[in-house]
Amino acid sequence: QKEVEQDPGPLSVPEGAIVSLNCTYSNSAFQYFMWYRQYSRKGPELLMYTYSSGNKEDGRFTAQVDKSSKYISLFIRDSQPSDSATYLCAMIGAGGTSYGKLTFGQGTILTVHP
Amino acid sequence: GAVVSQHPSWVICKSGTSVKIECRSLDFQATTMFWYRQFPKQSLMLMATSNEGSKATYEQGVEKDKFLINHASLTLSTLTVTSAHPEDSSFYICSARGGSSNTEAFFGQGTRLTVV
Repeated sequence: QKEVEQDPGPLSVPEGAIVSLNCTYSNSAFQYFMWYRQYSRKGPELLMYTYSSGNKEDGRFTAQVDKSSKYISLFIRDSQPSDSATYLCAMIGAGGTSYGKLTFGQGTILTVHP
Repeated sequence: GAVVSQHPSWVICKSGTSVKIECRSLDFQATTMFWYRQFPKQSLMLMATSNEGSKATYEQGVEKDKFLINHASLTLSTLTVTSAHPEDSSFYICSARGGSSNTEAFFGQGTRLTVV
């Protein structure tokens, strides 16, 4: 079983839709959670960084963390064609073998069509 | 966010030659740098972690003699792919982190290596 599971999609939505991207994890040592966006042939770009359970909002993006269920989500409101990219969840452990290391999900390919 | 510059963005080399990729943190001191490899439509695979002034820590299955990592300063890390072969063709990405181990990491633009 992978430490971080993410549905690879692809996910295709119309412009203006609300998008929900999700990751589950199995390692309790993960304490810090990130979402990255990666355009084709580019490096990942950090979107959100959270470390506590609950919601964190930044513009059209909301990151949600539920540590009790080991589940994180990224919501994109009013999605735009420019949001079309691969979205990667990533986690950092606070101890054990995952200490200080970023572990990525497989990435979800999102396409927002006009 | 912080800026990490990776160079070159793409390179083609002949089989058997070595290629060096540079990763620079432009506006912060990177105490830790990470090197990843990414195959098409797959996630990033961590190759190694390097701390400034120390030897890199390689992930299981990554050949340290083939992928030489040097983190000589707080703003520069290099990855050298030695005696490259076509199977080494991939997208290589660095990321850098300043401060403590729980802070976010910022990524370079990636280097697409093609070995012919």
